[in-house]
Amino acid sequence: SQQGEEDPQALSIQEGENATMNCSYKTSINNLQWYRQNSGRGLVHLILIRSNEREKHSGRLRVTLDTSKKSSSLLITASRAADTASYFCATEAKTSYDKVIFGPGTSLSVIP
Amino acid sequence: EPEVTQTPSHQVTQMGQEVILRCVPISNHLYFYWYRQILGQKVEFLVSFYNNEISEKSEIFDDQFSVERPDGSNFTLKIRSTKLEDSAMYFCASNPSPGLGQDTQYFGPGTRLTVL
Repeated sequence: SQQGEEDPQALSIQEGENATMNCSYKTSINNLQWYRQNSGRGLVHLILIRSNEREKHSGRLRVTLDTSKKSSSLLITASRAADTASYFCATEAKTSYDKVIFGPGTSLSVIP
Repeated sequence: EPEVTQTPSHQVTQMGQEVILRCVPISNHLYFYWYRQILGQKVEFLVSFYNNEISEKSEIFDDQFSVERPDGSNFTLKIRSTKLEDSAMYFCASNPSPGLGQDTQYFGPGTRLTVL
């Protein structure tokens, strides 16, 4: 299975702290994407990192990718209560341009 | 900014009934997808569609499911005879041209299907 697996499953932090979520996967990938989902709502694309990239930034988000360890991390700096959501990593396999495979997600709670 | 749209936002149906979920992908995108998310679980791939045919499908996408692009803009998912376990959020996604450096999948807001 190519599935991404996030850890931790749940994370609770105080507003202003940094939140780090990790994702591991099993097969060679074209890219890895992070999505956010507010409870019961749609998926919002946050950032895409390609297999030849090691780090990417977007605002308060920082994503790293280590293809040798088949892992990625998402760092949210200076968290806000509005960052409370589930965060999913999704991988696109080298063998397929047809789909992304989602991990089970990390549920982040940011306490004001 | 262009968005993927889906209708309806919530569909309630009786077991055994047929449902059609509708999506309008972003207009210049070429690849279309359906995913589902059972409550509290992860998002699962159902099917991908390119050039008016299915390019890949998962084990979930059995004979009860079908997809169609009936005109130049809509992309539909039909479930012929719904079961209780089909209750889930169904997401449509589109992609401009994966494999050519345009590989971000853009997701719609989802249709929540409730089968009673």
